[in-house]
Amino acid sequence: NAGVTQTPKFRILKIGQSMTLQCAQDMNHNYMYWYRQDPGMGLKLIYYSVGAGITDKGEVPNGYNVSRSTTEDFPLRLELAAPSQTSVYFCASRISVTGLTEAFFGQGTRLTVV
Amino acid sequence: GESVGLHLPTLSVQEGDNSIINCAYSNSASDYFIWYKQESGKGPQFIIDIRSNMDKRQGQRVTVLLNKTVKHLSLQIAATQPGDSAVYFCADKYNNNDMRFGAGTRLTVKP
Repeated sequence: NAGVTQTPKFRILKIGQSMTLQCAQDMNHNYMYWYRQDPGMGLKLIYYSVGAGITDKGEVPNGYNVSRSTTEDFPLRLELAAPSQTSVYFCASRISVTGLTEAFFGQGTRLTVV
Repeated sequence: GESVGLHLPTLSVQEGDNSIINCAYSNSASDYFIWYKQESGKGPQFIIDIRSNMDKRQGQRVTVLLNKTVKHLSLQIAATQPGDSAVYFCADKYNNNDMRFGAGTRLTVKP
């Protein structure tokens, strides 16, 4: 299993540009998440999904959109990039049977908006 | 609001010594806690978890202690090695779908 795969690893965007951060998992996990991590800070939840076709906002959803058309993929869309979106983005997934279990994280996408 | 937090942002230990990383949480209803390790340039990696019906749980060289009375969580690493150098995050259950993460403690192991 490859686990959770994120692409790209690095990206520089100009203000106002748009892009999609890709995330794929091959563990048949039903839950998937997008977090952002600012320097010296913990992880903040942007969006999550409990299964294909279902998405919900997290703590900091403004400026982002997601979709979950398949179990495997959970792309994160930035429509109008702003400097405040400069951060490291992590995708994660977990299986949910009864209650919470540990999440598996991707390697991250480092995004800089200039 | 409810949050998790860490007492110290950095911790430096000598190789071979034991490390103790502390974490306080404020949500008394939290019933599940996880410790993650994040090495430079990588995503967080699960270390150990504990549910609120336990006070202690042991893994390989790691022990998590939970004190529900004072809402405190600690991660103990025995015989700390250079490979243990990383940022360590505690997280508590926010709701049935998500965890909330603290800011992290950077552990540096000196040879």
